[in-house]
Order: sequence, then structure tokens, then C-alpha cells
Amino acid sequence: EAGVVQSPRYKIIEKKQPVAFWCNPISGHNTLYWYLQNLGQGPELLIRYENEEAVDDSQLPKDRFSAERLKGVDSTLKIQPAELGDSAVYLCASSLSEGSFGPGTRLLVL
Amino acid sequence: AQTVTQSQPEMSVQEAETVTLSCTYDTSESDYYLFWYKQPPSRQMILVIRQEAYKQQNATENRFSVNFQKAAKSFSLKISDSQLGDAAMYFCAYDDYGGSQGNLIFGKGTKLSVKP
Repeated sequence: EAGVVQSPRYKIIEKKQPVAFWCNPISGHNTLYWYLQNLGQGPELLIRYENEEAVDDSQLPKDRFSAERLKGVDSTLKIQPAELGDSAVYLCASSLSEGSFGPGTRLLVL
Repeated sequence: AQTVTQSQPEMSVQEAETVTLSCTYDTSESDYYLFWYKQPPSRQMILVIRQEAYKQQNATENRFSVNFQKAAKSFSLKISDSQLGDAAMYFCAYDDYGGSQGNLIFGKGTKLSVKP
């Protein structure tokens, strides 16, 4: 069984540019999570989906961050415009009880 | 709000020895779940062990075991016969729903080094 897939693995952009991350969860997993992990910190939830519905987006900075999961399968997280402080690792997970996290996308904003 | 505290930013252990990583948490709930995750340099979060608060028996997974003290709100991880591959960041995490509905709240992590 394939695990959670994320792309790209690394992204370097200039500040004020847009960036998008993609996640494909484990087949059959209805729940999808996006986490933000700053250097030296534990992950923090950005948004949680149940199928197509964002059931918890209280921690998502909505002025610049957006996410979608149109068909209830894969998901895209977008930042526009990116700021220096957005440099971090963005993790996707589809089953916390099974520990099904993706490998993450490391974003560096210059 | 629930919080998770890991008071040891870094720990070191000799290969084949035993090490214990500490974790305390704060919650007003009576039923909840606790987890230990391992994150090697590859950044992949790997579930090490899971404990359900209503179970008094401490969870074990091969060389990994926990000491769950509900009254003290303490959840430590013991790694026996440490191996070089155990070197990683270890995160303690809390969830009200067992990871199926809610949100994991993570501690800041403990960096474990294993000396050959």
C-alpha cells in the first residue's frame, strides 16, 4: 500500500511569490490534515478535511493561505504571497492514529 | 486548552543502553490518547507507540515502552537496547479522539543521539 505522497519535496522561492504544495493521502482515508512544522518545533495543525469539507481551519492564516480538496481525495495548500516567516516544513497526514504522515515539503522563502 | 511539554531538548545514550524520554501534558478530559512519534532527518513522522488513557496497562512495541501515569499526567518513553537507527527527534503528542477525528497536539520534541 502506497503511503501519503507529497510534492514537491523542496521548494525555494522569492518572497511575495506564490507557492503550492500537493498531497495525495492513502487510498480510502477520508480525513486529511495539513501541518506546519517550524524549525525546532513540533507540527501544528493548519487545516483538517473530512472528505471535501474543511472541518477545522481555525489555525489557517486565511489572508495568505488557502487549501482545497475538491474531490475528497488529493489536496493542495497554497500560499500567496509568501513571506520570509513561511519558511518551514509542510506536512500532510491522512490517519493520525496510524501515523500516516507524508515526507513533507521543505519551503525556503528568500 | 491541552498542552504537551517535553522538558528535555536533547538526550544522549550509548548504543545498547536504555534511555527514557519525558513528556507531561495538561488536559481536563478523562478519555484521550497519547502518542510518541519519531522524526529522523528525512522528516518522515513515524508512529512509535500509542496509549489509550482508559487502559491502565502500559503500551509496549518491541524495544519501546511507555510509563503512563494518568494522575500525574506523565507519559514517558523508554527505549531499550538503543540502536544507531534510533537517533532522531522524538515528539510526544496528545489527542482527544485517538487520531481519527481530532487534532494531534505535539510537544517541542527531544533530539536523541545514540553513541556507538
